Amino acid sequence: AQSVAQPEDQVNVAEGNPLTVKCTYSVSGNPYLFWYVQYPNRGLQFLLKYITGDNLVKGSYGFEAEFNKSQTSFHLKKPSALVSDSALYFCAVRPASGTYKYIFGTGTRLKVLA
Amino acid sequence: DSGVTQTPKHLITATGQRVTLRCSPRSGDLSVYWYQQSLDQGLQFLIQYYNGEERAKGNILERFSAQQFPDLHSELNLSSLELGDSALYFCASSVDSGRAAPDTQYFGPGTRLTVL
Repeated sequence: AQSVAQPEDQVNVAEGNPLTVKCTYSVSGNPYLFWYVQYPNRGLQFLLKYITGDNLVKGSYGFEAEFNKSQTSFHLKKPSALVSDSALYFCAVRPASGTYKYIFGTGTRLKVLA
Repeated sequence: DSGVTQTPKHLITATGQRVTLRCSPRSGDLSVYWYQQSLDQGLQFLIQYYNGEERAKGNILERFSAQQFPDLHSELNLSSLELGDSALYFCASSVDSGRAAPDTQYFGPGTRLTVL
């Protein structure tokens, strides 16, 4: 079965420190991978996506993610966290062929402490 | 503001009832997606329409149905409502210009459904 795992329900990090939010996936064939962020009482906002090419993808607000095919991972990173980065982060995958269905992870709550 | 609008913002209804949620995509976007977000099940993809036709189906219950109209707005119909249907329902849209790779989805603010 195709799936996305975000192993941490919550990640706490001090302001100014680097942050990582983990995502691993299981799909048949090549994946398209996405990160979205959700602020309280808001819809999801697109951060970045991996389609093909360079494994390091840069996105909005200083976030980046690295596609690792051998580890089937797509971890979200930022070199220096801000308090305003505190939100719920979702990883999503869509297989490159066979289906248009999107599969979302369960979300990771990021808390950046001042 | 993503450009995707959803109405109503909040909906409170009773078990057994039927409701309709409405979504207007961003101008020019041909695809509309529906998602359900609940505390215990996370974010679930329900269904996608592309230019009026159903393109992909996710975990959508038989009591739920959707359609996309010629003006590209979409409606999600939920019937025989149960307490467990209480959730935030999101609509998203994307251009889907015909390339194989997926275009970015832009999410609306959601409709919060409470079933009492």
